[in-house]
Amino acid sequence: EIVLTQSPATLSLSPGERATLSCRASQSVSSYLAWYQQKPGQAPRLLIYDASNRATGIPARFSGSGSGTDFTLTISSLEPEDFAVYYCQQRSNWPPVFTFGPGTKVDIK
Amino acid sequence: EVQLVESGGGLVQPGGSLRLSCAASGFTFSSYWMSWVRQAPGKGLEWVANIKQDGSEKYYVDSVKGRFTISRDNAKNSLYLQMNSLRAEDTAVYYCARDGHYGIFDYWGQGTLVTVSS
Repeated sequence: EIVLTQSPATLSLSPGERATLSCRASQSVSSYLAWYQQKPGQAPRLLIYDASNRATGIPARFSGSGSGTDFTLTISSLEPEDFAVYYCQQRSNWPPVFTFGPGTKVDIK
Repeated sequence: EVQLVESGGGLVQPGGSLRLSCAASGFTFSSYWMSWVRQAPGKGLEWVANIKQDGSEKYYVDSVKGRFTISRDNAKNSLYLQMNSLRAEDTAVYYCARDGHYGIFDYWGQGTLVTVSS
């Protein structure tokens, strides 16, 4: 089973600052990594798929990079609505059994 | 507009059963794999199960194998999760999610809460 770890657990930043979130896989997942945003009381929302592709309607301030075992989600300039929990998720293996990371909470400093 | 609406959650005793439903609209339901993802209170996301477009393939996370069964009815645009032998650790919000392309969950429902407690 592929295990994902995310760091840091919590990131305290101010609006306008740059956020850099990390996700590491226990073995290579190629580029098959996605990022989701979840706000309190809401369902997750797909942000990035296949490491660097923005989902439909996602603002350009969100970007993803990485391959193999190390991935990064960057929010170039935090907007007030970006304070949320972010999860990475891998989809690399067959059979199609998927795992999520434990999440990084981005809160207001 | 893609919509996924879950129902069927509630309070159930340990060892009991519950059947969740997810009504889909706004897309060709029969063309997509579908998944259930759950989230225990205050915890992260856990993928639970998925099912192929025609129902011929189903996969489960190890912790629910033999207890949960995923199914679908393409004529009714509906996804189901039959949960038996429920345990306290199954307490969670259960989300229905569309699998846009092999594990990319591009649309989610609002979730339904399952509480397993005596």
